[in-house]
Amino acid sequence: KQEVTQIPAALSVPEGENLVLNCSFTDSAIYNLQWFRQDPGKGLTSLLLIQSSQREQTSGRLNASLDKSSGRSTLYIAASQPGDSATYLCAVRPPLNEKLVFGKGTKLTVNP
Amino acid sequence: DTEVTQTPKHLVMGMTNKKSLKCEQHMGHRAMYWYKQKAKKPPELMFVYSYEKLSINESVPSRFSPECPNSSLLNLHLHALQPEDSALYLCASSQGVNADTDTQYFGPGTRLTVL
Repeated sequence: KQEVTQIPAALSVPEGENLVLNCSFTDSAIYNLQWFRQDPGKGLTSLLLIQSSQREQTSGRLNASLDKSSGRSTLYIAASQPGDSATYLCAVRPPLNEKLVFGKGTKLTVNP
Repeated sequence: DTEVTQTPKHLVMGMTNKKSLKCEQHMGHRAMYWYKQKAKKPPELMFVYSYEKLSINESVPSRFSPECPNSSLLNLHLHALQPEDSALYLCASSQGVNADTDTQYFGPGTRLTVL
């Protein structure tokens, strides 16, 4: 059974700092891995999707990497801003299954 | 346009009421999803519709009844709910064609309170 773990559960940093969020999964057989952002009481916003054959994806100040063999992904946020404060969720899509398996998320606070 | 819309934004209902949640997308996506999310927890999948047919039902109680009238619309009919069903209900959609690149796009959710 696929399990997804995110460390740390919460992170507080000063504005301008570069930071890394971690995601690990137990079964390397995945179609893709997706990073989402969720603001309190709101829906999820898709940030990046990394296909199983890819090593990384970039969007603006965000860079996500995938090491499928070791079951790990990282989300790198450069020059963090208070507007980046949110909960970040990673999710993997197992093969032959439309169901995403989510981690419990990392709550990020960027202090001005 | 990568927008999924949901109505209503908030819903308060009694345990004997019947209500419906609505979800709509105009991205031509062929897969649509209902998730339930409790506070400080990740979303839990409830149902998946693929090409307007129910493809996944995650053993959801029958008091929740999904419906997909057409490829753009997804409803969730609610009847005889319990207070523990209070949660944020999220709808999502995806192209549903190529699994490798199949990004799910989420709506803003409906905050449901059952009294």
